[in-house]
Amino acid sequence: NAGVTQTPKFRVLKTGQSMTLLCAQDMNHEYMYWYRQDPGMGLRLIHYSVGEGTTAKGEVPDGYNVSRLKKQNFLLGLESAAPSQTSVYFCASTPATGYTEAFFGQGTRLTVV
Amino acid sequence: DQQVKQNSPSLSVQEGRISILNCDYTNSMFDYFLWYKKYPAEGPTFLISISSIKDKNEDGRFTVFLNKSAKHLSLHIVPSQPGDSAVYFCAASSSRNNNDMRFGAGTRLTVKP
Repeated sequence: NAGVTQTPKFRVLKTGQSMTLLCAQDMNHEYMYWYRQDPGMGLRLIHYSVGEGTTAKGEVPDGYNVSRLKKQNFLLGLESAAPSQTSVYFCASTPATGYTEAFFGQGTRLTVV
Repeated sequence: DQQVKQNSPSLSVQEGRISILNCDYTNSMFDYFLWYKKYPAEGPTFLISISSIKDKNEDGRFTVFLNKSAKHLSLHIVPSQPGDSAVYFCAASSSRNNNDMRFGAGTRLTVKP
């Protein structure tokens, strides 16, 4: 059971570079989320999607873009990375709206130098 | 502003004793609360939840208590086991926007054999 898989697990970027984080889930879940985790801050919602072709902003969306072209995939893009985006990124999915447990990926540790 | 607060960054207890993890929230619109457990290098996993219509929910060794008037919830683990050593996140959401789940900063629990 793969569940939620994130690619890559680690990445180091230079300031100004771009990259895309991929999240794939094989549970046929409708809802998908991207969070970032920073020390002392817990997890903060960046963007989320309530279905294929739809996206919405979360608590900290600036500097990120997302796309959900296929139901099973949710991509998080950084167009011009900044050191403030150094963080651990988690993708999650739920079968329906937020009143159910979320299934998380293993995380992507991103360092921007 | 952090709407969900876990004021104890760490907690250490002896195996077999009770662990009590606390969480406070400020947003009175929150009506659903969850606890997640996270091991190093893994994503958070769902542990237990409670709706605001209840004041207690129990699942095996884990019990969550909700005090709505105090905007406070707690997770009790009895008896604590070394395998419970992890970071515990409290999370909350509102039925008005239940895709926007807010997390606390986490409490690192260490259970000593």
